[in-house]
Amino acid sequence: GNSVTQMEGPVTLSEEAFLTINCTYTATGYPSLFWYVQYPGEGLQLLLKATKADDKGSNKGFEATYRKETTSFHLEKGSVQVSDSAVYFCALIPYSGAGSYQLTFGKGTKLSVIP
Amino acid sequence: DAGVIQSPRHEVTEMGQEVTLRCKPISGHDYLFWYRQTMMRGLELLIYFNNNVPIDDSGMPEDRFSAKMPNASFSTLKIQPSEPRDSAVYFCASRLGGNQPQHFGDGTRLSIL
Repeated sequence: GNSVTQMEGPVTLSEEAFLTINCTYTATGYPSLFWYVQYPGEGLQLLLKATKADDKGSNKGFEATYRKETTSFHLEKGSVQVSDSAVYFCALIPYSGAGSYQLTFGKGTKLSVIP
Repeated sequence: DAGVIQSPRHEVTEMGQEVTLRCKPISGHDYLFWYRQTMMRGLELLIYFNNNVPIDDSGMPEDRFSAKMPNASFSTLKIQPSEPRDSAVYFCASRLGGNQPQHFGDGTRLSIL
């Protein structure tokens, strides 16, 4: 089956520190990969995506590269801000070709950035 | 463009009462999803629809839960009778077909006393 594994949180960093949140996946076919962010009291927002191997998704200073050889999609940011404090979810949609393009989520990683 | 709209944002009710959550998907989206989020269980998919037809309801916890999508612009999730363990944030999401991302509403925070 399809699954996504993220590093356990919570992660606490000082402002301007480097961020990495690890994500690995198991899927049949060629999945599309996503990172979602959930700020306190809000719904999930799409942060970035990549649809094929070696693609790099980027947004708001965050980046993630689709690595098929290691089945990974790690999220990185060079210098985090207090406003980046949120829960981050890695997710995939398997390209099954038979419909049912259902998102599979990781359990989420809570990030707290302190001044 | 309007996003996914959910109502109410907050609901507090007593055990045994009927609860109805509402969702308006993004216009043109043909998939609609209902999720539940709790601290203990994280984000769980309850049911999803394609072109207003329920495709997979295996995540619905029990018969007290039901969901309908009478047309392309409206869906409801109903709990009857409600129980304290149903307290959670319920999210609705919609998307286009293929490998397009889902767009989430802001959720309904449900508290059953």
